[in-house]
Amino acid sequence: KAGVTQTPRYLIKTRGQQVTLSCSPISGHRSVSWYQQTPGQGLQFLFEYFSETQRNKGNFPGRFSGRQFSNSRSEMNVSTLELGDSALYLCASSLGTGVDTQYFGPGTRLTVL
Amino acid sequence: AQKITQTQPGMFVQEKEAVTLDCTYDTSDQSYGLFWYKQPSSGEMIFLIYQGSYDEQNATEGRYSLNFQKARKSANLVISASQLGDSAMYFCAMREGGGYSGGGADGLTFGKGTHLIIQP
Repeated sequence: KAGVTQTPRYLIKTRGQQVTLSCSPISGHRSVSWYQQTPGQGLQFLFEYFSETQRNKGNFPGRFSGRQFSNSRSEMNVSTLELGDSALYLCASSLGTGVDTQYFGPGTRLTVL
Repeated sequence: AQKITQTQPGMFVQEKEAVTLDCTYDTSDQSYGLFWYKQPSSGEMIFLIYQGSYDEQNATEGRYSLNFQKARKSANLVISASQLGDSAMYFCAMREGGGYSGGGADGLTFGKGTHLIIQP
């Protein structure tokens, strides 16, 4: 079974721009979660999508949004980029029932200049 | 209060020795799961082992075992016979909720990690 894939792997943007990151889950997984990893704040949960609906949300401003498509693929969007948005963005997929294991993709490293 | 505490920022261990990475957690939920992930310098988060709050036996996966002490709220990872390739960041994480309804649990809450270096 193919693992979780994320595109692009690396991105460089400037302040004020917006960015869209993509995640394809493991086949059969209906839940996709997004995490931000920075040296200062560590790993933080952004949000989770299940069956095209946002089911859980972390404590991030509204500039961070996402969506999920009928094939369970998910996109994450960050508008009006700030320097502090520079981070490794990790996507994880799971079956979506109960306390199930989340499997992570390789991540997208975003640099905001 | 931190939900996941990893008290060892860094550890140096000789190859072939066993190593224990500490993790304590804080939750008032009855239903939760504890996870360990490995993150090499490449950045990818690799799932290692899972322990459910209702599991009575400690979880094992190959060279990895989880020492689960529910009353103490600790979930230490034990790596037996360490190898050079085990050098990486190790994160303890928890998911709360989900229960028996089949609904999803909360997102993962991570500790700050332990940087493990295996020396030859």
